[in-house]
Amino acid sequence: DVKVTQSSRYLVKRTGEKVFLECVQDMDHENMFWYRQDPGLGLRLIYFSYDVKMKEKGDIPEGYSVSREKKERFSLILESASTNQTSMYLCASSFPGQGYSNQPQHFGDGTRLSIL
Amino acid sequence: TQLLEQSPQFLSIQEGENLTVYCNSSSVFSSLQWYRQEPGEGPVLLVTVVTGGEVKKLKRLTFQFGDARKDSSLHITAAQTGDTGLYLCAGARGNTGKLIFGQGTTLQVKP
Repeated sequence: DVKVTQSSRYLVKRTGEKVFLECVQDMDHENMFWYRQDPGLGLRLIYFSYDVKMKEKGDIPEGYSVSREKKERFSLILESASTNQTSMYLCASSFPGQGYSNQPQHFGDGTRLSIL
Repeated sequence: TQLLEQSPQFLSIQEGENLTVYCNSSSVFSSLQWYRQEPGEGPVLLVTVVTGGEVKKLKRLTFQFGDARKDSSLHITAAQTGDTGLYLCAGARGNTGKLIFGQGTTLQVKP
């Protein structure tokens, strides 16, 4: 079974802090994703990585950066946390494979981040 | 900008009832996926539909992809309390590996 592990289930930080969210997958997937999930808005893509050291902005990248130094690990960084970044953060991974568009994404259980 | 509109956003029904969730867009998608998310967990893939007009069945769940590949529906027959959760449709953005998600439908099935 694919395992996507997010380092924390719950995290409380203060405004202005630099926050790191870590994600590790064990299936040798090339693609990794960071989403935020807010009620009524579904999942919105923050950043996407299709290979080590490769990254691409998603729909809402402002205030975030990412790092992918190893294939299995994808980190999301909040450079200077703000209260409007309080949310559920979900990491996912997938193969690009044949017919990229059809590969399922495998999700971690999420990190609920509160910025005070 | 590609958008996926899901309806209804909330659904509360009694066990044994049938229901349908809709996922609509003005854009064409190469494929569409349905996920279910339970509280405290990440979404889990239920099905992928690829061909216009395709119908897939997963026990009591029936998924349909519109002929024009712009819309999809999920029909649940004789809902059970175990069907409770958040249902998300997601359209593939070409061959990039990325998905665009609908807002989700929260389903509550009462005993």
